[in-house]
Amino acid sequence: EDKVVQSPLSLVVHEGDTVTLNCSYEVTNFRSLLWYKQEKKAPTFLFMLTSSGIEKKSGRLSSILDKKELFSILNITATQTGDSAVYLCASPNFGNEKLTFGTGTRLTIIP
Amino acid sequence: NAGVTQTPKFRVLKTGQSMTLLCAQDMNHEYMYWYRQDPGMGLRLIHYSVGEGTTAKGEVPDGYNVSRLKKQNFLLGLESAAPSQTSVYFCASGQNGPLNTEAFFGQGTRLTVV
Repeated sequence: EDKVVQSPLSLVVHEGDTVTLNCSYEVTNFRSLLWYKQEKKAPTFLFMLTSSGIEKKSGRLSSILDKKELFSILNITATQTGDSAVYLCASPNFGNEKLTFGTGTRLTIIP
Repeated sequence: NAGVTQTPKFRVLKTGQSMTLLCAQDMNHEYMYWYRQDPGMGLRLIHYSVGEGTTAKGEVPDGYNVSRLKKQNFLLGLESAAPSQTSVYFCASGQNGPLNTEAFFGQGTRLTVV
């Protein structure tokens, strides 16, 4: 069975800090890893990673994939209160097309 | 742009009642998914569909049925609701599976079974 595990489960930091969120995966027929941000309602897409070692960047957020060690990290620099959310990672199984999510990391930014 | 629309947004059911949640997408996506989200459990896949007329079981399918009679609609049915089905339900859709594009989510349905 496919597995996606995120750590830590929750994280509380002060505004301006840098955080690193982790996502490890065991997915048959791996093709990509997805990161989402979930505030009050629906998850919103952040990144899709398919190649090892190539960083994807959007403003203060960046992410990288390591297909040898089967993990990805999401970095957020100079955190702001608007970054407070649950961050989810997910990976689709290319064979059966299931999209499996991790349990998420709840990030809280203290002003 | 409507994207993915779920109805209803909220519902309270009595144990044993039935209901259908509707998911509609206007992006011509082939793939559609139903998830439930419970505290500390992340998003768990209930059922999914890889095209019109197809359905498949996900991680937690028991107690639910689905139908994909039209490409744009994916229905989730609860035949006899139980308190364990109290949850927030999310529908998602994607093109060519999530492999080529990300999955787009609806705003969720909060269901309470009493």
